[in-house]
Parts: sequence; C-alpha cells; structure tokens
Amino acid sequence: QVQLVESGGGLVKPGGSLRLSCAASGFTFSDYYMSWIRQAPGKGPEWVSHISRSGSTIYYADSVKGRFTISRDNAEKSLYLQMNSLRAADTAVYYCARYYGQPDYWGQGTLVTVSS
Amino acid sequence: QSALTQPPSASGSPGQSVTISCTGTSSDVGGYNYVSWYQQHPGKAPKLIIYEVSQRPSGVPDRFSGSKSGNTASLTVSGLQAEDEADYYCGSYAGNNNLFGGGTKLTVL
Repeated sequence: QVQLVESGGGLVKPGGSLRLSCAASGFTFSDYYMSWIRQAPGKGPEWVSHISRSGSTIYYADSVKGRFTISRDNAEKSLYLQMNSLRAADTAVYYCARYYGQPDYWGQGTLVTVSS
Repeated sequence: QSALTQPPSASGSPGQSVTISCTGTSSDVGGYNYVSWYQQHPGKAPKLIIYEVSQRPSGVPDRFSGSKSGNTASLTVSGLQAEDEADYYCGSYAGNNNLFGGGTKLTVL
C-alpha cells in the first residue's frame, strides 16, 4: 500500500531554516509527480510546490517562491523541502502527497512552528 | 489566486443527503476536469474521496458522488452516516498550481 512518511518538522525562530523529508513506499516513486501541501491550524490546505518525475520541472506557490526549494531523490524514493527565511505565516502541518492531476495519497504530516 | 469558496458548514440527519458546493473561476474549477474532494477527520490527513470531478477511488462508498457545472463543483453525500461527520475540502488544478477550498464542516445531527 502507498505510504508517505514526513519528518524534519519542529520549532524554529523567524528567519531560520528547516529541511523536510518524505520517505515513499508502496508505489513506483519515479513514475509520479510529488507535492508539498501545508495546512495552517484551522485552515484549508494550501498547495506549496510540486516537482516532476525527473525533477526537471518545478512549480512553487507565490507565497514561498524564492525561499523554499523542492527536490527529490528517485533512487532513495525521497522528497525534500528546504525552507529558508521562515516566517510566522509558514506555521502549519506540512504534507507530502503523491500527485496525479491532483494530490491523491497524503502522508500524516509534520508540524512546522515558526515562533520566537 | 484566491482559494476556492465553500460554505463553512453543512448538516443533515442520518439517512439524509447533503450537498456541498465549491465555487471557483474559469481558470480553475471551470477550466479543467481535475476537481477533487477530500475528507478530513480531526488530527488526520486529508483522504481523497472524489477525483477528476466524479470518480471515486477504490474503497470509497458510492454514497459519495461529485459533479460540476460551470465554475461550481459539488459533492453529494447520500444516506448520511455518523462516520461521515468530518471536514470536507475541494481542490482544483489551476494551471501549474493547485487551489483548495476553505473547507466545510459536515455535522450529522
């Protein structure tokens, strides 16, 4: 069965950095686009970024462009999100999701809290 | 781009049907057939229940159905059951990005 397991969240001060990871299993990772989606407390999901099968095509939400970098390692079946210059507004649960026209399978998420 | 618009709440008694709307624009909901719906119980990750407007993933009961007319998509839950009480979110492809709705809290009375 499809499994996506995120890690790397935590408490960080404004202006700080974090790197999120997502370990995939149960499907052929290199056959799928992958996404990062976040959900602030009490809010709807917000798409953050997605990356093509080879990693050659990448899109970002305007709210994170220039600060976040998505990447993948198909050999390791892993997805990453490097987050720099973090702001309080970036506080959310971050989900890794398989993407096929729309996000279908989501991980359980990792909480990122940006606070001084 | 703005989030898709959903009513904040909906309710129905067991056995009844309820429909939740999701309004976007011709650049998202109205422009593509990649409209999806997600069910989220407290503390859990969103679960896909409808994809490509009206398709159900394997294992999702046929009590859940989706449709679209113009810039508005709809999710209908028929034969409401207690376990259907959850938050429901719509999503749409929007050309190199994806939008989500603000969510509808479904209460089973």
